[in-house]
Amino acid sequence: QKEVEQNSGPLSVPEGAIASLNCTYSDRGSQSFFWYRQYSGKSPELIMFIYSNGDKEDGRFTAQLNKASQYVSLLIRDSQPSDSATYLCAFITGQFYFGTGTSLTVIP
Amino acid sequence: DAGVTQSPTHLIKTRGQHVTLRCSPISGHKSVSWYQQVLGQGPQFIFQYYEKEERGRGNFPDRFSARQFPNYSSELNVNALLLGDSALYLCASSLEGSARAFFGQGTRLTVV
Repeated sequence: QKEVEQNSGPLSVPEGAIASLNCTYSDRGSQSFFWYRQYSGKSPELIMFIYSNGDKEDGRFTAQLNKASQYVSLLIRDSQPSDSATYLCAFITGQFYFGTGTSLTVIP
Repeated sequence: DAGVTQSPTHLIKTRGQHVTLRCSPISGHKSVSWYQQVLGQGPQFIFQYYEKEERGRGNFPDRFSARQFPNYSSELNVNALLLGDSALYLCASSLEGSARAFFGQGTRLTVV
């Protein structure tokens, strides 16, 4: 059974702080990992993907992957109220496997 | 550029009825996947189609079926609707060989 585990939260951070979202996955064969952002009532929006061990930065977002520990994380620097959403971690092995999501609230 | 478009956006059906949901992928995308997202959960994979062929099927009953047309659009059909089928149904498209999937706005199905 392939699984993705995320802390469902809710996670609250003050505006301007760093938000840290974590995810573990069960399939050691997984090669591609994704973070999607989903606003309430809307569809998921791809914000980051990472294939290699280490860090990948894109603007205020940094994805970190550790395949040995089967762990992937997302850091959001200088958090803004507009970042308040549910963040879904996913990996792909033929099909996408999604976690249940972590709800993030950025407090102004 | 048009993204993935789904229709209808909202739908209310009665138990036992049948429903057809439609999806048009991003231009040039030949792969279409369907997902069911129940409130408070992550999306669950239902089907993937590529070049009109079924490439994958999730753990859903036979009441769920899908197909892809020559223009790469797709339909998801659900028969004998149950209350538990109430969910957001998402369609995603991707380029051949790419793992990056782009989602449509979804169809919110309510079964009463």
